[in-house]
Amino acid sequence: KNQVEQSPQSLIILEGKNCTLQCNYTVSPFSNLRWYKQDTGRGPVSLTIMTFSENTKSNGRYTATLDADTKQSSLHITASQLSDSASYICVVSHDRGSTLGRLYFGRGTQLTVWP
Amino acid sequence: GAGVSQSPRYKVAKRGQDVALRCDPISGHVSLFWYQQALGQGPEFLTYFQNEAQLDKSGLPSDRFFAERPEGSVSTLKIQRTQQEDSAVYLCASSLGVSGRHPYGQYFGPGTRLTVT
Repeated sequence: KNQVEQSPQSLIILEGKNCTLQCNYTVSPFSNLRWYKQDTGRGPVSLTIMTFSENTKSNGRYTATLDADTKQSSLHITASQLSDSASYICVVSHDRGSTLGRLYFGRGTQLTVWP
Repeated sequence: GAGVSQSPRYKVAKRGQDVALRCDPISGHVSLFWYQQALGQGPEFLTYFQNEAQLDKSGLPSDRFFAERPEGSVSTLKIQRTQQEDSAVYLCASSLGVSGRHPYGQYFGPGTRLTVT
């Protein structure tokens, strides 16, 4: 069972609209949660990184929230642009012994922005 | 460029053939990670190096997969006797520190797309 679940699996929105992507995780103990953007044919690029003590982090039009109690995170994109079309991947870092540094990836939400 | 580079970008192998995938991390980055990404899926962890030491190889799917980083910089992922299920994008990432405990970013390379026919 995947320890990081994302929803929706895919999403289509019109340019200029806002959207919110969801991430639920069961990874424990938790170190930090990241959102990555992956364009087709490219490696993932980090958007935000949050530790358990942070509940919101912004990067331009991207705002991530984290509720470590309920183990949920969201990524909100405002005023979407065509270039936002990509897969958005939620990644949770595990923090224990020999698996130090290991990341657990969700399957991603495929976002398509239409003009 | 100062980013993570991988080569080749594309590799087609016949089933049973051995392949070697190369990763050049960002200079000075201590940690190096290999991931396997199947079509439509998120990356799956394969193995992790801290300098030249392979600290975690629990994600390697079989003993046909072998990774090394002999001098603590460039890394090679080798797959012996390739099978069709090995077809995937293989991503390499590096980070300045140990990214599990500290929020250092992992910087990803563009990946090598392996197709086994």
